[in-house]
Amino acid sequence: DTAVSQTPKYLVTQMGNDKSIKCEQNLGHDTMYWYKQDSKKFLKIMFSYNNKELIINETVPNRFSPKSPDKAHLNLHINSLELGDSAVYFCASSQDWGSTQETQYFGPGTRLLVL
Amino acid sequence: AQSVAQPEDQVNVAEGNPLTVKCTYSVSGNPYLFWYVQYPNRGLQFLLKYITGDNLVKGSYGFEAEFNKSQTSFHLKKPSALVSDSALYFCAVRGLNNDMRFGAGTRLTVKP
Repeated sequence: DTAVSQTPKYLVTQMGNDKSIKCEQNLGHDTMYWYKQDSKKFLKIMFSYNNKELIINETVPNRFSPKSPDKAHLNLHINSLELGDSAVYFCASSQDWGSTQETQYFGPGTRLLVL
Repeated sequence: AQSVAQPEDQVNVAEGNPLTVKCTYSVSGNPYLFWYVQYPNRGLQFLLKYITGDNLVKGSYGFEAEFNKSQTSFHLKKPSALVSDSALYFCAVRGLNNDMRFGAGTRLTVKP
């Protein structure tokens, strides 16, 4: 009964490949997010979707494309992977984007290593 | 722009002693502040948040945080540390787009 789940947990791939990370939340939340945690543990927002619509798109290369087929899912597709994409990617969700008081709940992370 | 700073990369305390993990913030408007903990190879877990009201906020696992407007601080505290509290702690502030702006993290080590 995991609230926010991500697959895969680990992903090792070669430069230039295309890969996807999936995220699902069973909390009934309206808003989902993708964060990137680099090797120094610094966490930064990448994207946010509210009711399947893109709300936040930080300065992220076009090679990253989020897709939200429904409110419970937010997938991240990465084209032409580069060494610098190696990081831990966290999915998160919150009840309502409009409320600044909402707590975000995080998934376990996907550890991506690009060789 | 909304931001937080965690001035200490590492905090070491002995088990049973009180612990403090520091956080200062910079915001325009009302601050909405959060603390999260990350255990090794795990996701972030919510500990507590300050929205409004009492300056002392109580959270999970015996943690509390004190909101100090004059010092623009939101330090995380616990009266008696446990070895199992050893983890990476992140302070965060709600951004203007309702995203979460995290500090750089503080690694807490509690020694027996």
